[in-house]
Amino acid sequence: DTEVTQTPKHLVMGMTNKKSLKCEQHMGHRAMYWYKQKAKKPPELMFVYSYEKLSINESVPSRFSPECPNSSLLNLHLHALQPEDSALYLCASSRGQPGGRNEQFFGPGTRLTVL
Amino acid sequence: DQQVKQNSPSLSVQEGRISILNCDYTNSMFDYFLWYKKYPAEGPTFLISISSIKDKNEDGRFTVFLNKSAKHLSLHIVPSQPGDSAVYFCAARASNFGNEKLTFGTGTRLTIIP
Repeated sequence: DTEVTQTPKHLVMGMTNKKSLKCEQHMGHRAMYWYKQKAKKPPELMFVYSYEKLSINESVPSRFSPECPNSSLLNLHLHALQPEDSALYLCASSRGQPGGRNEQFFGPGTRLTVL
Repeated sequence: DQQVKQNSPSLSVQEGRISILNCDYTNSMFDYFLWYKKYPAEGPTFLISISSIKDKNEDGRFTVFLNKSAKHLSLHIVPSQPGDSAVYFCAARASNFGNEKLTFGTGTRLTIIP
């Protein structure tokens, strides 16, 4: 299984809603990532989890709250978002071992629209 | 501060010819470089990578060249096929104990003309 899955595929939410994005991989990878991609822009790193511990937070606003319940799952909890947070949210995973190739495998993304 | 740059936003190439996509970087701490291909409404797909200790890596129709002194890399696709039409992102890594922060370029939209 070389797939990273993300649910939901699309999400529309109001600014007062609370929602969660989910990501799953069964490749035995120990590093998982959240990226945000706006139209015609490159993916921008938000968070990195290594061995289920948060290792990088790229100064993301607290209305985005990541969670890594186990080595296969990664969640992104959303609360009080702004319309400018509308974007494609990508999850990725990699082996997470020191050295070596460690290329990241991406999921298909969740298209988020904040009204 | 754009540390990874792809100066050509778009490129059109005839089917069967060579496609050359370019990427420049500024951070000398980058030690690993990757190319990703992205179709609309899908996540990026890993294509090929190169370590900073090499200057060339080849995988089938794809070859990546690295010129460290010029801080420049390029992806060659030959022969180009219609299915290669996509947005290509160059990405660079400065390693940190196995979890890499990837810095992406702005992307080049490649169109293969049948």
